[in-house]
Amino acid sequence: EDKVVQSPLSLVVHEGDTVTLNCSYEVTNFRSLLWYKQEKKAPTFLFMLTSSGIEKKSGRLSSILDKKELSSILNITATQTGDSAIYLCAVPQGGSEKLVFGKGTKLTVNP
Amino acid sequence: DAGVIQSPRHEVTEMGQEVTLRCKPISGHNSLFWYRQTMMRGLELLIYFNNNVPIDDSGMPEDRFSAKMPNASFSTLKIQPSEPRDSAVYFCASSPPGGRETDTQYFGPGTRLTVL
Repeated sequence: EDKVVQSPLSLVVHEGDTVTLNCSYEVTNFRSLLWYKQEKKAPTFLFMLTSSGIEKKSGRLSSILDKKELSSILNITATQTGDSAIYLCAVPQGGSEKLVFGKGTKLTVNP
Repeated sequence: DAGVIQSPRHEVTEMGQEVTLRCKPISGHNSLFWYRQTMMRGLELLIYFNNNVPIDDSGMPEDRFSAKMPNASFSTLKIQPSEPRDSAVYFCASSPPGGRETDTQYFGPGTRLTVL
């Protein structure tokens, strides 16, 4: 069965810290991995990764995929209180458009 | 361009009542997904449509749940009769056609359903 496991489940840091969120997956016919940010509303799309070793970057957020290790990391540098959210990782199920989501990492950034 | 639109945003109803949730996908998107999110179970896919046709409804909990997509710009999720354990946030998402871009789903704001 396809699955996505995220760690840690929750994380509390101070503003200015750098954090690394982890996502590992098991899926047949891997084709992409997606990261979403969910605040008190809907998940919003951050990144889609398809190739190993190529970093995707948006401001203070960056992400990289390691297909050999079946994993991805999401880095956030110089965290701000506005980064507080649940970060979700997802992969499409093999042969389908269904996304399999992890349980998420709840990040709390304290001032 | 407008994102995915859902209505109502909040719904409070009594057990046994029928509930209808509505969704308008992003224009030009040809896949539509209904999710349910709870603290206990996280984000669960209920059903998805491609070109208005239901493709996978294996996540629909039971016969009390039904979904329709009569045209490319509208879908409904109906619960009849509703039960307290149906209380959750229901999200609709859509994705564009073609290639890997179709993997990226864009979520609506959700409907928070409370069944008393």
